Amino acid sequence: GAGVSQSPSNKVTEKGKDVELRCDPISGHTALYWYRQSLGQGLEFLIYFQGNSAPDKSGLPSDRFSAERTGGSVSTLTIQRTQQEDSAVYLCASSLRQSSYEQYFGPGTRLTVT
Amino acid sequence: AQSVTQLGSHVSVSEGALVLLRCNYSSSVPPYLFWYVQYPNQGLQLLLKYTTGATLVKGINGFEAEFKKSETSFHLTKPSAHMSDAAEYFCAVSDGSGAGSYQLTFGKGTKLSVIP
Repeated sequence: GAGVSQSPSNKVTEKGKDVELRCDPISGHTALYWYRQSLGQGLEFLIYFQGNSAPDKSGLPSDRFSAERTGGSVSTLTIQRTQQEDSAVYLCASSLRQSSYEQYFGPGTRLTVT
Repeated sequence: AQSVTQLGSHVSVSEGALVLLRCNYSSSVPPYLFWYVQYPNQGLQLLLKYTTGATLVKGINGFEAEFKKSETSFHLTKPSAHMSDAAEYFCAVSDGSGAGSYQLTFGKGTKLSVIP
């Protein structure tokens, strides 16, 4: 079956611009996670959705970062006024339910801020 | 709070040799433990997981790991390395303590090179 998909695969943007990153989880998976992978910080948790609600936003690094999920499916991560330190690979993962142990990852979006 | 330490950012082994990648964790509650593999320019693929029960866990591609509570370790092994095992490996822990989230906390990763 189809796995987690993310778009775009690569995004180059100028400092100060806004970007939107999209995640399409595995059909039927109610839990969705965003992570960021960067050279300096490794893999970091950003935000967790259960259905359309986000009970855990503790990993969002600043108020420039926001995310939403609609219809219990697709999620969008938005970064406003991008900075060079936002350059990273943004990974999305989904799992069947909140307490499901296995998270399935998408291929990621590589964001470069120039 | 939970954390993961992977010893060795880079490990090299000869083809056919034993692979041993080390992982130690800390968690305030019984943890769930995972190993993921990442090939260049790809996402993370689950190799194996420990949740409850048998402490020796077998995964895909001939890998296995043993949960040792007394040592807070979850080392990954494979008896005989293959060229296709060259990748980056991440150990991760989840304890469900993040506002009900089962977010993963990852180690820094270990890049495995296999020498022909």
